[in-house]
Amino acid sequence: DTEVTQTPKHLVMGMTNKKSLKCEQHMGHRAMYWYKQKAKKPPELMFVYSYEKLSINESVPSRFSPECPNSSLLNLHLHALQPEDSALYLCASSKHGSTEAFFGQGTRLTVV
Amino acid sequence: KNEVEQSPQNLTAQEGEFITINCSYSVGISALHWLQQHPGGGIVSLFMLSSGKKKHGRLIATINIQEKHSSLHITASHPRDSAVYICAVYTGNQFYFGTGTSLTVIP
Repeated sequence: DTEVTQTPKHLVMGMTNKKSLKCEQHMGHRAMYWYKQKAKKPPELMFVYSYEKLSINESVPSRFSPECPNSSLLNLHLHALQPEDSALYLCASSKHGSTEAFFGQGTRLTVV
Repeated sequence: KNEVEQSPQNLTAQEGEFITINCSYSVGISALHWLQQHPGGGIVSLFMLSSGKKKHGRLIATINIQEKHSSLHITASHPRDSAVYICAVYTGNQFYFGTGTSLTVIP
């Protein structure tokens, strides 16, 4: 299994809603990443988890709250988002000490 | 200056043409990825390379580690190949992305 699975694929949420994005892999990768991609721009790093601990937080607003409950699962909890947060949220995973790295398909988020 | 530079930014081709997209990078990498993204769509991984050359159907990807350069070739291009192609490098700590090449293949 060489997949990174993101759910849902599409999400529409209101500014007062609370929702979560999920990313799952079963390749034994111990580094997992969240990226945000706005239209016609390259993805930008948000968070990196290494061995289930947050190792990089790129000054992301607190309305985005990451969580890594175990080595296979990475969540991104969303609360009180703004319309400008509408974007593609991309998850990736990699194996420490290896070239192996994979991307999920992304979750397309629309905030209304 | 971006760590990853792609060229061209935009490319229009006639169906059947041979297409090349280039990627140059300035950081040390563990692997390089070629990704495909259709308008409004998600990301599809095409190749992961750390050396040499890979082929999948009509797509060929090459990398020259010494020159820090990779190319993605599409043979016998088809309108369904129209998409944005993104080069991403993995340094061992994180990914850096190129700004993408928007390809349009005209029937």
